[in-house]
Amino acid sequence: GQSLEQPSEVTAVEGAIVQINCTYQTSGFYGLSWYQQHDGGAPTFLSYNALDGLEETGRFSSFLSRSDSYGYLLLQELQMKDSASYFCAAHGQNFVFGPGTRLSVLP
Amino acid sequence: EAQVTQNPRYLITVTGKKLTVTCSQNMNHEYMSWYRQDPGLGLRQIYYSMNVEVTDKGDVPEGYKVSRKEKRNFPLILESPSPNQTSLYFCASSWDATGTGQVSLHFGNGTRLTVT
Repeated sequence: GQSLEQPSEVTAVEGAIVQINCTYQTSGFYGLSWYQQHDGGAPTFLSYNALDGLEETGRFSSFLSRSDSYGYLLLQELQMKDSASYFCAAHGQNFVFGPGTRLSVLP
Repeated sequence: EAQVTQNPRYLITVTGKKLTVTCSQNMNHEYMSWYRQDPGLGLRQIYYSMNVEVTDKGDVPEGYKVSRKEKRNFPLILESPSPNQTSLYFCASSWDATGTGQVSLHFGNGTRLTVT
């Protein structure tokens, strides 16, 4: 089967840096992506890693280690608007999502 | 504007009354999928489709049907809804699920279904 694990909740203050981890077990793995979902909204795409290493997109970076079946999303210079749920998703034959991490950014 | 359109946004129905949630995308995407979202359980896949007339079960297909007669449309059918199908449903599409190129899912705005 396929499964992904993430922490259920993370709390940080404005301006801080936070890392959300994701471990996966999946067959036919192509890459790992990250999505953001605000309350009441639809998930939106943030980043995708097909190869090992760090991908940077503005304040957000994502990392993948295929040998460790592990990835993370790094959010820098946190803002209140970053309060949301974050999902990792493994790409194989299909897209499989993790359970999500709820990030709360405090003033 | 490139988008995935789901209808309706909200639906309240009774047990056993057949319903269809429509999903349409205007991006000529090959891949389409349905997810349900319940508190603490993330996005669980119901069915997906790699192309026209090609559909496959996801993790939670029981009680649902889909069809893919045209590339742009992927309706979700509940033949006999039950209260445990009360959930938030999302349709999504992408060029492809596989490959090493950057592939992202585009989501519809969601359908909140309540079955009493």
